[in-house]
Amino acid sequence: GDSVTQMEGPVTLSEEAFLTINCTYTATGYPSLFWYVQYPGEGLQLLLKATKADDKGSNKGFEATYRKETTSFHLEKGSVQVSDSAVYFCALSEAAGNKLTFGGGTRVLVKP
Amino acid sequence: GAVVSQHPSWVICKSGTSVKIECRSLDFQATTMFWYRQFPKQSLMLMATSNEGSKATYEQGVEKDKFLINHASLTLSTLTVTSAHPEDSSFYICSASLAGSGNTIYFGEGSWLTVV
Repeated sequence: GDSVTQMEGPVTLSEEAFLTINCTYTATGYPSLFWYVQYPGEGLQLLLKATKADDKGSNKGFEATYRKETTSFHLEKGSVQVSDSAVYFCALSEAAGNKLTFGGGTRVLVKP
Repeated sequence: GAVVSQHPSWVICKSGTSVKIECRSLDFQATTMFWYRQFPKQSLMLMATSNEGSKATYEQGVEKDKFLINHASLTLSTLTVTSAHPEDSSFYICSASLAGSGNTIYFGEGSWLTVV
């Protein structure tokens, strides 16, 4: 079945540092890939997505590129802020509007 | 933009009682909604797929008689935790897909259930 593996946290960074969260997946077809963010005490918010190979999703300074050859969708941000402290989830969906398979989540803590 | 809303955000109930959580799509019709469960510091696990006008499809290991799902209209799905026990305490979150937006999946705010 489908699965998503992402690096375990917590990841602790200083403000303005570079952030990378690795995510790899296994899927039977050609899934869409997503990054969701969960701020403390809140639900999930879609951060970015990519629907086909070589697509790059970007939002709020975050980027991730759909790499079919390495089955990866690593999340990056060049300069993090304290407000980026949250849990980040990588996810895939095999079909449009279908259920999501989530990775384990990576907690990121940005210190001033 | 499209919004999915859950109610209540927080609920505390006594063991043995039932509690209902609502998931509404506010700006659009959702023929399919999904219910997830998240234990503290863990990932989200899909519980069931809620289909408007038909029975929900449950994931393996999820007790359908305990977690009753009703999707009576195109904008509302409900999850009822029956005869709740402390181990049912968790964060429950729903999602819905907006057709025509690239089928973007939107999540509700989630509902914290504590069974005492």
